[in-house]
Amino acid sequence: GAVVSQHPSWVICKSGTSVKIECRSLDFQATTMFWYRQFPKQSLMLMATSNEGSKATYEQGVEKDKFLINHASLTLSTLTVTSAHPEDSSFYICSAPPGGTGANVLTFGAGSRLTVL
Amino acid sequence: ILNVEQSPQSLHVQEGDSTNFTCSFPSSNFYALHWYRWETAKSPEALFVMTLNGDEKKKGRISATLNTKEGYSYLYIKGSQPEDSATYLCALTGGTSYGKLTFGQGTILTVHP
Repeated sequence: GAVVSQHPSWVICKSGTSVKIECRSLDFQATTMFWYRQFPKQSLMLMATSNEGSKATYEQGVEKDKFLINHASLTLSTLTVTSAHPEDSSFYICSAPPGGTGANVLTFGAGSRLTVL
Repeated sequence: ILNVEQSPQSLHVQEGDSTNFTCSFPSSNFYALHWYRWETAKSPEALFVMTLNGDEKKKGRISATLNTKEGYSYLYIKGSQPEDSATYLCALTGGTSYGKLTFGQGTILTVHP
C-alpha cells in the first residue's frame, strides 16, 4: 500500500535554531501534502496544505514565515521550523492522499516529535 | 469551527471483551467521517470512511456505524485482542477538501492479556 516516510522521528534542538522535517511518498506521487501538529493532550490540528510547485496555504493562526513549507517534487514535502522556541515543541505529522484526486483516505507519516530547549 | 468529541478518553478491557466507543460531531454540514487506528510510533492507519446516514462498515472484528442526523458514530471491536491496543481517532471532513480533517482527541484502548 501507499507509504509516507517521515524523518526525523524525533529531534531536540536549542532555542533559535531551525529544524527541517521531511516527508516522502515512497510508492505514489503526492501532489498535495497536509501538515498537522498535535500539542500535548490536544487533537491533531491542520497547520498547512502544500501543493507541488506552488505556495503552501496556511490555516488561521499559523505563521507562514515561521513554518516554511517546500513541496518541490511530487514525492517530497518539507516543513522547516525556523528560529524554533520552546512553544514550538510539538508533534508534527504529514499526510497525503494516495492515488491523486478522488482518493478520500489519507496516508500518514509516522510523525516527528520536536522538543525545543 | 467543527467540534469533534470522542468518548471515553481511555479504556481498559480484558482480552476477549467486546468494546465500543463514540465519536460525536455537529450534524450540520456533514460530508464524511473517518476512523483511524494509531499505534504508538507508527503511522495512523485508515479504518473506515463513512459518508451516508445509516452506514455500517466492517473490517474483521472492527465495525462502525454512522448517524449523521443526530451526529454520532460508534466504533465496535468484537473479541478484543492485545494487538488492538491503540489510539482510535475519528475525524470529520467538513467539505469537499477531504484532506482537511478535524480530529477528535482519540480514545486510547488498552487490551490486557
